[in-house]
Amino acid sequence: DSGVTQTPKHLITATGQRVTLRCSPRSGDLSVYWYQQSLDQGLQFLIQYYNGEERAKGNILERFSAQQFPDLHSELNLSSLELGDSALYFCASSVTSKVAGELFFGEGSRLTVL
Amino acid sequence: AQSVTQLDSQVPVFEEAPVELRCNYSSSVSVYLFWYVQYPNQGLQLLLKYLSGSTLVESINGFEAEFNKSQTSFHLRKPSVHISDTAEYFCAVTSSGGYQKVTFGTGTKLQVIP
Repeated sequence: DSGVTQTPKHLITATGQRVTLRCSPRSGDLSVYWYQQSLDQGLQFLIQYYNGEERAKGNILERFSAQQFPDLHSELNLSSLELGDSALYFCASSVTSKVAGELFFGEGSRLTVL
Repeated sequence: AQSVTQLDSQVPVFEEAPVELRCNYSSSVSVYLFWYVQYPNQGLQLLLKYLSGSTLVESINGFEAEFNKSQTSFHLRKPSVHISDTAEYFCAVTSSGGYQKVTFGTGTKLQVIP
């Protein structure tokens, strides 16, 4: 158990819909990262937050948005969903934003868009 | 910009045989390097990391990796694999210093054959 909690574990929805994925980082970790894992794209970095502020942005679509709340949990919002958004979405956390240490990954949220 | 290349998408190997999983990186600045392992239906876990100092780093379960700056490589090796090593292995890189994202390779599936 990494200490990172992601909900829901599985989600099935239709094209055009909107979903919210939630992540609770390990106790004490200030940084949260979101990754998308799909068969054709591999593990893609989406976005990073540190203590509530956006720190780095990767290949995140405009239809996607994220935020980190004062209690440090984070949410990833995916809207106007397309079939290609079907993937495993991972949240990871670390103690600091300067990544010299270890990322702790949750077990992921599997999104299926039909 | 930084990138990671894992040339082998799948590596089958017999139990108790040695294995090498290849990783090459590209970066214009100093880097930190990582190997993560993903067991079926789980999130990624850190296997080992190179930050500085000795170029040979080891994990607790017998894996080792050597940082080779001239060849920009960080290959993962194990002299004798077990069935339990069957998993997907990801090489990752981040630039040292500053608030940096971690870039992952596309992963190598290690299949240990009894």
